[in-house]
Amino acid sequence: AQKITQTQPGMFVQEKEAVTLDCTYDTSDQSYGLFWYKQPSSGEMIFLIYQGSYDEQNATEGRYSLNFQKARKSANLVISASQLGDSAMYFCAMRPGGSQGNLIFGKGTKLSVKP
Amino acid sequence: KAGVTQTPRYLIKTRGQQVTLSCSPISGHRSVSWYQQTPGQGLQFLFEYFSETQRNKGNFPGRFSGRQFSNSRSEMNVSTLELGDSALYLCASSHASSSYEQYFGPGTRLTVT
Repeated sequence: AQKITQTQPGMFVQEKEAVTLDCTYDTSDQSYGLFWYKQPSSGEMIFLIYQGSYDEQNATEGRYSLNFQKARKSANLVISASQLGDSAMYFCAMRPGGSQGNLIFGKGTKLSVKP
Repeated sequence: KAGVTQTPRYLIKTRGQQVTLSCSPISGHRSVSWYQQTPGQGLQFLFEYFSETQRNKGNFPGRFSGRQFSNSRSEMNVSTLELGDSALYLCASSHASSSYEQYFGPGTRLTVT
């Protein structure tokens, strides 16, 4: 079955430090996409970063990078130099191969950045 | 470029009623997907529309339906509301079905009493 697992319900990080949010996935598809979204308390889902299953290099977007380990089926999000505004829920999601717009989400990790 | 808009933002209904939620995608985007978010079940995919056709459907009862208009705006309808339908309903748009750039709206928070 297609599944996303985020094992950290909540995490704390000190401002300006780096933090890694864990994500593992389960799929038998060869082609798939992996996403990370941020959801502040306002509710809107903000797209952070994308990694395709055939991409050989880890994706990076500013302070966000995705540590993609295909053999281990993991797609961890690394946030460098945390800011207070990074406090939010973070969701890992997967688009299975052949899917048309369907994202499978994990349960999320609540990140709290301490000043 | 304006983002995805959803109306209304908040809604209170009673059991047995029906409700219609609206989503206007980013200009030029032809794919609209709907998701339900609840504390217990998390984010679950409802359905996706592309060029007025439903392309994909999640595992929800037939009380949940949707449609897409020629201008790509989409509506979802829930009939015979149940308490468990209380949720944040999010819509997301993308240029094409296979595009990875999927942008979400602010959501409609539905409360069923």
